[in-house]
Amino acid sequence: GAGVSQSPRYKVAKRGQDVALRCDPISGHVSLFWYQQALGQGPEFLTYFQNEAQLDKSGLPSDRFFAERPEGSVSTLKIQRTQQEDSAVYLCASSLGPGRPYEQYFGPGTRLTVT
Amino acid sequence: AQSVTQLDSHVSVSEGTPVLLRCNYSSSYSPSLFWYVQHPNKGLQLLLKYTSAATLVKGINGFEAEFKKSETSFHLTKPSAHMSDAAEYFCVVSAASGNTGKLIFGQGTTLQVKP
Repeated sequence: GAGVSQSPRYKVAKRGQDVALRCDPISGHVSLFWYQQALGQGPEFLTYFQNEAQLDKSGLPSDRFFAERPEGSVSTLKIQRTQQEDSAVYLCASSLGPGRPYEQYFGPGTRLTVT
Repeated sequence: AQSVTQLDSHVSVSEGTPVLLRCNYSSSYSPSLFWYVQHPNKGLQLLLKYTSAATLVKGINGFEAEFKKSETSFHLTKPSAHMSDAAEYFCVVSAASGNTGKLIFGQGTTLQVKP
């Protein structure tokens, strides 16, 4: 079946521009996660949705970062007034349910470059 | 708080020789531990997971890992490396707080396989 998809795969933005990154999780998956992976680093948690509810946004680095999942399926991560330090790969993952036993399935990521 | 430390940033082996990627964890709770692999320009893939059942966990592609509570370790091994194993490997712990299942990644180990 189809896995997690993300678009665009690559995005170049000028500093100060707003960007929107899309994630299509596996159909029926309740949980959705966003992670940020800087070059040469491991992914870091940004935010978590259970259906349409954003239950954890403790990893969002600033109020310029905003995520939504209005109908409990597709999610969008928006970054306002992009800065060079926002350059990273943004990964989306989904799982069947909340909690530790469930495997998270990752998308290919969106590579954001801020110039 | 949970954390993982990958003891080697880069490991180089010859094809057909054993692989050992080292990981130590820190957790106040009984942890759920994972190894993920990331091939260039591909999404993260789960190799194996430990969730308090058998301490020796077998994964895909001949990889296995042993949970050792006394040593707080979860090292990844494979008896014989294949060229296709060259990739980035992440040791991961699932955060206990909030029961969201969010993942905490190590810094990664780059595995190089020489012919």
